[in-house]
Amino acid sequence: QVTLKESGPVVVKPTETLTLTCSVSGFSLSNARMGVTWLRQPPGKALEWLAHIFSRDEETYTPSLKRRLTISRDTSKGQVVLMLTNVDPGDTATYYCARVYSSSSYIRFDHWGQGARVTVSS
Amino acid sequence: DIQMTQSPSSLSASVGDRVTITCRASQSVSNYLNWYQQIPGKPPTLLIYAASSLQSGVPSRFSGGGSGTEFTLTISSLQPEDFATYYCQQSHSTPVTFGGGTKVEIK
Repeated sequence: QVTLKESGPVVVKPTETLTLTCSVSGFSLSNARMGVTWLRQPPGKALEWLAHIFSRDEETYTPSLKRRLTISRDTSKGQVVLMLTNVDPGDTATYYCARVYSSSSYIRFDHWGQGARVTVSS
Repeated sequence: DIQMTQSPSSLSASVGDRVTITCRASQSVSNYLNWYQQIPGKPPTLLIYAASSLQSGVPSRFSGGGSGTEFTLTISSLQPEDFATYYCQQSHSTPVTFGGGTKVEIK
């Protein structure tokens, strides 16, 4: 059974760095067909893709946040970490991690974590 | 970035109705198009991938179509558990982008 679970702070102060961890089970982070992605959803708004990482340590970021984002993985622990620097209230959102399944160049987000609600406030 | 536009942004329908949601891309995405369902307070779930392939475990009343810049998601007979928000997403180009969502409400 594939599961993903996000963990991290509930409240972060402006200018601080937000660090979120996605713990996965039921699949291996070294599987060439699979990766992990991070997305977020501000309250009442649509989904926004942030970054993903694949087994070859191939990292891809959304251009608008690339300077502030870092994604990394620890295959032995089954964890993927997302760091977002210099947060502001506009970064308040529910953050999701999801499994990326890749097949013949098509990718899809086929399993999702429950989400981690993060508020940026002083 | 490729912009994804969904219409309508919301609709009211009754159980048993046939519902169609449209998603348009600002440039061709071929068939690199996925659909997700999100029930309030829950994470999204994958319904359709590669424009028309049904994800395992998803009821057959859901179907997807289209290619290039125009796509549809159809629910052939709306069920009570289908009242949710639906999102399209393109994976043709980075950054991956989503539509603004279509909220399906009970009439």
